[in-house]
Amino acid sequence: DAKTTQPPSMDCAEGRAANLPCNHSTISGNEYVYWYRQIHSQGPQYIIHGLKNNETNEMASLIITEDRKSSTLILPHATLRDTAVYYCIVNNAGNMLTFGGGTRLMVKP
Amino acid sequence: DSGVTQTPKHLITATGQRVTLRCSPRSGDLSVYWYQQSLDQGLQFLIQYYNGEERAKGNILERFSAQQFPDLHSELNLSSLELGDSALYFCASSREAQGWGGYTFGSGTRLTVV
Repeated sequence: DAKTTQPPSMDCAEGRAANLPCNHSTISGNEYVYWYRQIHSQGPQYIIHGLKNNETNEMASLIITEDRKSSTLILPHATLRDTAVYYCIVNNAGNMLTFGGGTRLMVKP
Repeated sequence: DSGVTQTPKHLITATGQRVTLRCSPRSGDLSVYWYQQSLDQGLQFLIQYYNGEERAKGNILERFSAQQFPDLHSELNLSSLELGDSALYFCASSREAQGWGGYTFGSGTRLTVV
């Protein structure tokens, strides 16, 4: 699987958009980008995934650059409950997802 | 409630002992995945079962074993426990073998080895 690079931590004001970047410059053509989050020792929660097109669901939007070397997860109106560790994962098999260090997002009032 | 049930929630045991962790997948899901999360290692993939058969293996120690039963629940057996096995153990499930649409995780079992 391609390696991903994420900032270790970010802050966001409540009600504002949270934009979480992920670099995956060695991604190959058949690898998907997945995002999960983990709220304080709870089980990780699937957020969204995509291959090359931008994706949106009820939780977030995923923007993948045209060259697919980076992506951004957007939480449009962050709330205090969005405080969590966010993991960007690149994988071509859908199983054996490898979780790295992630980004610790702190949403502040 | 994610639909994935893990029992017990907490377990405290002594070194050298053997424990069994249980996972019931979300209704309709055929794949079960086991992950270990310790403070210094992050989330590590251990093993995957799909419809009763082992599908993929990660960094699972030889002292650890798992199986998936006909009713699709899974058990992770940890033996000859060491202090370093203290961790959160998560189970996840997905409908297909490949988990393309994402996994659903349970709330975990916190194992403390003393």
